[in-house]
Amino acid sequence: DTGVSQNPRHKITKRGQNVTFRCDPISEHNRLYWYRQTLGQGPEFLTYFQNEAQLEKSRLLSDRFSAERPKGSFSTLEIQRTEQGDSAMYLCASSLSYQGYNEQFFGPGTRLTVL
Amino acid sequence: AQSVAQPEDQVNVAEGNPLTVKCTYSVSGNPYLFWYVQYPNRGLQFLLKYITGDNLVKGSYGFEAEFNKSQTSFHLKKPSALVSDSALYFCAVRDINYGQNFVFGPGTRLSVLP
Repeated sequence: DTGVSQNPRHKITKRGQNVTFRCDPISEHNRLYWYRQTLGQGPEFLTYFQNEAQLEKSRLLSDRFSAERPKGSFSTLEIQRTEQGDSAMYLCASSLSYQGYNEQFFGPGTRLTVL
Repeated sequence: AQSVAQPEDQVNVAEGNPLTVKCTYSVSGNPYLFWYVQYPNRGLQFLLKYITGDNLVKGSYGFEAEFNKSQTSFHLKKPSALVSDSALYFCAVRDINYGQNFVFGPGTRLSVLP
């Protein structure tokens, strides 16, 4: 399967713990995006990378959230000191950057539950 | 700022009948518009997009959408619904004046009844 993959698919943690999610984009895609989706809502943009550079961050991305894409391939999203409000599906997507209007291809998501 | 509205939480249609899932948007500049479908326990799948040109765009699985600039709408349509089309549908917009991210609507759940 050459699509976007995310690991783990599910994560249950206790409030205050740190969690890290991984996203592997489609190999030739140079743009990578993170979104958060809560029940009954559409995905909300968090941040995006072009190659290894993080070019845009949403106001939703608090100081407890950090994302990296060190070699321009896979990306990690870390949440420190998790709160119950962080419970959501975290989606990763990738795209080509040609002229900026290419569709984004989404992974299956990581469902985070904070107890 | 950009925004997307999907006025119907739920759309029910009988198999074989035409379906429409509505989407309206607000952007300051020219929009790029997209439709995605989400099946249970699966990621969002791209259906179609409007960038420029012909207002009627055709996409995957027999879906099409019509861009209407005056009504700022981008409704998703299919001439004959299948039970397997039952899923959650999201409209998304990108305003080229506001960065690279997509803004998604809240989603519309489509149920096709046999």
